Amino acid sequence: KAGVTQTPRYLIKTRGQQVTLSCSPISGHRSVSWYQQTPGQGLQFLFEYFSETQRNKGNFPGRFSGRQFSNSRSEMNVSTLELGDSALYLCASSSIPLGGNNSPLHFGNGTRLTVT
Amino acid sequence: LAKTTQPISMDSYEGQEVNITCSHNNIATNDYITWYQQFPSQGPRFIIQGYKTKVTNEVASLFIPADRKSSTLSLPRVSLSDTAVYYCLVGDGRAGGSYIPTFGRGTSLIVHP
Repeated sequence: KAGVTQTPRYLIKTRGQQVTLSCSPISGHRSVSWYQQTPGQGLQFLFEYFSETQRNKGNFPGRFSGRQFSNSRSEMNVSTLELGDSALYLCASSSIPLGGNNSPLHFGNGTRLTVT
Repeated sequence: LAKTTQPISMDSYEGQEVNITCSHNNIATNDYITWYQQFPSQGPRFIIQGYKTKVTNEVASLFIPADRKSSTLSLPRVSLSDTAVYYCLVGDGRAGGSYIPTFGRGTSLIVHP
């Protein structure tokens, strides 16, 4: 089975722009969750989608949004970029919704976003 | 809200056993404890998961005391390739029925020759 694929791998944007990141989960996985990783704050949960519906959301402003398609692929959008949005954005897939017993997360290698 | 605490860094030598402890005082009754390993420029990789007592797989063991307020990841006979950051993950309660994965800040393990 192919692993979780995230595109693009690297991205450079300027303040005020918006960006869309893509995540293709492992085949058959219907849960996709997104995370922001920075040296200062560590790994922080953004949101989770399952069967095209957002189930959970972390403590991030509304500039961070996402969606999931019928094939379980997911996109994350960040609008009005700020310098502090520079981070590694990771997505993870699992076969069942987050919180289910024995449902480890399978992570992609992330998109490195740099905002200048 | 659940919060996890781990040592920031640890050093070891090849062939030694390494134990990394994570504190999670407010773990919810239904939450499992999961550990991940992360190498630079890669996403975290699942190592082991448990609910109580002891779990062992081919790469690690996980010890969870009866009160479940902490857990210890044990890596037997580490090698240089075990140099990585290790995260413990527990849920963040069931507020409103939602589940918020809460990662610790990670423990940077450096294995020396």
